[in-house]
Amino acid sequence: DAGVTQSPTHLIKTRGQQVTLRCSPKSGHDTVSWYQQALGQGPQFIFQYYEEEERQRGNFPDRFSGHQFPNYSSELNVNALLLGDSALYLCASSPTWVRNTEAFFGQGTRLTVV
Amino acid sequence: GQQVMQIPQYQHVQEGEDFTTYCNSSTTLSNIQWYKQRPGGHPVFLIQLVKSGEVKKQKRLTFQFGEAKKNSSLHITATQTTDVGTYFCAGPSGNKLVFGAGTILRVKS
Repeated sequence: DAGVTQSPTHLIKTRGQQVTLRCSPKSGHDTVSWYQQALGQGPQFIFQYYEEEERQRGNFPDRFSGHQFPNYSSELNVNALLLGDSALYLCASSPTWVRNTEAFFGQGTRLTVV
Repeated sequence: GQQVMQIPQYQHVQEGEDFTTYCNSSTTLSNIQWYKQRPGGHPVFLIQLVKSGEVKKQKRLTFQFGEAKKNSSLHITATQTTDVGTYFCAGPSGNKLVFGAGTILRVKS
């Protein structure tokens, strides 16, 4: 049983570019959340997707957008990259029928903006 | 909005010594979760506490949830080098988890 998988694992982009990160949830999970973890900080919630719709959003600008596909996989898009967007981007999945349950995290995508 | 604070930020202990990290929420929580992140890794779920005053043990790890459900602690007895990492507490807020900044544990052998 594969856990949460993310791609790519590492990425280097130039300021102003756009990036797409991908996530496949754990088998049986239909809800995907994205978190940004800056160095030395705890994960910060970006948004959550369920039934292909954004269900809740954190305090991130509109440059951050997402999508969920019918197979529950998800993408995180960031436009007009800033140096401050450099971070570990984590995807977490959970089953929506179990409220307030643990989050299963992928290994993350390390994004460096230069 | 809800804030979760953890202390200390960093602790360096001799192998065999005990370690404790404390977590405080600005609001009452329905539950508190603890995660461990090894260096270069991703957060891995350790435990969830739900009841007021709840205490749970996992081998050398003891987790407590405060009576007011606003604070929690993680205590590790006789630390080992395998305990190295960052320990995060997190509380739910709607559909999201609000994480503390974490406590980094380093163990000297």
